[in-house]
Amino acid sequence: GAVVSQHPSRVICKSGTSVKIECRSLDFQATTMFWYRQFPKQSLMLMATSNEGSKATYEQGVEKDKFLINHASLTLSTLTVTSAHPEDSSFYICSAGRTGWVHEQYFGPGTRLTVT
Amino acid sequence: AQTVTQSQPEMSVQEAETVTLSCTYDTSESDYYLFWYKQPPSRQMILVIRQEAYKQQNATENRFSVNFQKAAKSFSLKISDSQLGDAAMYFCASRNSGNTPLVFGKGTRLSVIA
Repeated sequence: GAVVSQHPSRVICKSGTSVKIECRSLDFQATTMFWYRQFPKQSLMLMATSNEGSKATYEQGVEKDKFLINHASLTLSTLTVTSAHPEDSSFYICSAGRTGWVHEQYFGPGTRLTVT
Repeated sequence: AQTVTQSQPEMSVQEAETVTLSCTYDTSESDYYLFWYKQPPSRQMILVIRQEAYKQQNATENRFSVNFQKAAKSFSLKISDSQLGDAAMYFCASRNSGNTPLVFGKGTRLSVIA
């Protein structure tokens, strides 16, 4: 099966600092990756669609200058939370679909971000 | 815009019994896909079952099956012979054709009673 990894699995940072989360497709190429955020006891909410070699598409209400997404290769997308605040504390999950095979998306294990 | 509604925040089932989780959706697209995902305490999203909208036959995966009512836009999940390991959050999701994002319902927390 297709594997998606995320790093780090959990991170604690101080308010005002930036943190980068990596999402990698380990055994397949992914033209498109998706970033979701999940607050405690809530569902997954799409933050942005990450496209290799082009700008990400952000959902309404998601600040593109705060959540920087870079998809520099067919196997790696990064999400950088800039000037993090406690309200950014959440569980961030990425997913990816195989290029040319769109029936299923594969999820990373998620990253728990805590901003103190 | 797509919407997915799960009206049961919590459900419980006795071990070895059968439980049905409800889901309704709305979309203006004719080509779309429907999914049930399981999220255990580890929070790793696990695909349980997938249904292509163009297929009339209900999808089945071992103890898991769906009742897909396209006209009613209903997509329920039936878990047979429930096991303790089935306890988790279950999310119903839909997406359009192409490499498009998933839209999730709010989830149903399933407890399995020994």
